[in-house]
Amino acid sequence: SQTIHQWPATLVQPVGSPLSLECTVEGTSNPNLYWYRQAAGRGLQLLFYSVGIGQISSEVPQNLSASRPQDRQFILSSKKLLLSDSGFYLCAWSGGGPGYEQYFGPGTRLTVT
Amino acid sequence: GESVGLHLPTLSVQEGDNSIINCAYSNSASDYFIWYKQESGKGPQFIIDIRSNMDKRQGQRVTVLLNKTVKHLSLQIAATQPGDSAVYFCAENPNTGGFKTIFGAGTRLFVKA
Repeated sequence: SQTIHQWPATLVQPVGSPLSLECTVEGTSNPNLYWYRQAAGRGLQLLFYSVGIGQISSEVPQNLSASRPQDRQFILSSKKLLLSDSGFYLCAWSGGGPGYEQYFGPGTRLTVT
Repeated sequence: GESVGLHLPTLSVQEGDNSIINCAYSNSASDYFIWYKQESGKGPQFIIDIRSNMDKRQGQRVTVLLNKTVKHLSLQIAATQPGDSAVYFCAENPNTGGFKTIFGAGTRLFVKA
């Protein structure tokens, strides 16, 4: 069966510090990978998605970046965090077949202070 | 369109009653629709899906109805239980290659005991 991991689960970082969130998927090959951000009590904002190694599509221009160094690894980064970067970050994967449902990881709660 | 920045509407129901959660989608070309459930502090979980060539699909205690004429989707939960308390998101696949999913704003369901 497929599983998706995210770490860390929670993170408190000062403004201006760098960020690296990691997501890995097991049990599937060549997944589509996604990063979302969710502010408290709000909906999901798609940040990046990737359909293959090294292929990143950005949905929202901001001070975040994403990379996919391996087939089942997706990394979200920032060089300098802003207060507005606080939120719940979710990684998800989907297959490329007829069903496009996404499977979400447990999320990372980021607080920028 | 995407739901960024919107506060969640709330639905409150009595335990044992049926719940109906509604969603308006944006793209008449969308061919696949999904409902997700998100419990507090967790990532969204897939509940049920429906393709555009159907107007109704039933699962265990849940039914999804699709009205393409008015671009409306609903999720019906029978005999609502306290464990159903969560935020529910509808999502559409805009039929542009299957890699992006557009999420609705979400509805918070409270189940009163």
